[in-house]
Amino acid sequence: AQSVAQPEDQVNVAEGNPLTVKCTYSVSGNPYLFWYVQYPNRGLQFLLKYITGDNLVKGSYGFEAEFNKSQTSFHLKKPSALVSDSALYFCAVSVMDTGRRALTFGSGTRLQVQP
Amino acid sequence: NAGVTQTPKFQVLKTGQSMTLQCAQDMNHNSMYWYRQDPGMGLRLIYYSASEGTTDKGEVPNGYNVSRLNKREFSLRLESAAPSQTSVYFCASRAGTGGQNQPQHFGDGTRLSIL
Repeated sequence: AQSVAQPEDQVNVAEGNPLTVKCTYSVSGNPYLFWYVQYPNRGLQFLLKYITGDNLVKGSYGFEAEFNKSQTSFHLKKPSALVSDSALYFCAVSVMDTGRRALTFGSGTRLQVQP
Repeated sequence: NAGVTQTPKFQVLKTGQSMTLQCAQDMNHNSMYWYRQDPGMGLRLIYYSASEGTTDKGEVPNGYNVSRLNKREFSLRLESAAPSQTSVYFCASRAGTGGQNQPQHFGDGTRLSIL
């Protein structure tokens, strides 16, 4: 079975400071990894994905994520946070080899950026 | 280009009533999904459809049925609503039918309350 853990329910950061939202995963096989963002009363929006290749993945709105196979982590990062980044962030995983047709999501981390 | 459209946006039901949640996508995607989102639990997969004419159970299928009416539409039916089904329901679609290397696109959700 595959699973995702987001150990922090909420992350608080000041505007202009770097931010990190943590994600660890557990799968049998090579993972596909995704980050999504959810704004109030909206659906999830795709930010970035790791499929294969470079461990540092760049995505939308200046976000990036680093894939670390040995630590089974895929942390989301941004060098300088904006107040508009405040939202709910979800990490998700699927397995490359089996062709599994669905994602498993973490429980979400609420990011609060203070002015 | 509307993407994924869900109707209704809000609904209040009484225990034992039935209803159908509608979802349509205009991106010519093969795969479609229904999730429910509950506080602190992330998104959990109810049912999915890898292609027109096929459906499969996800993590929490009990109490729900689905119909893949055509390539565009994927509906979710509650036959006898229960308070435990109070949740926000999201429909998603994705290009392709096999491995999960393409991101899912989400609708804005249906907020369902069952009294």
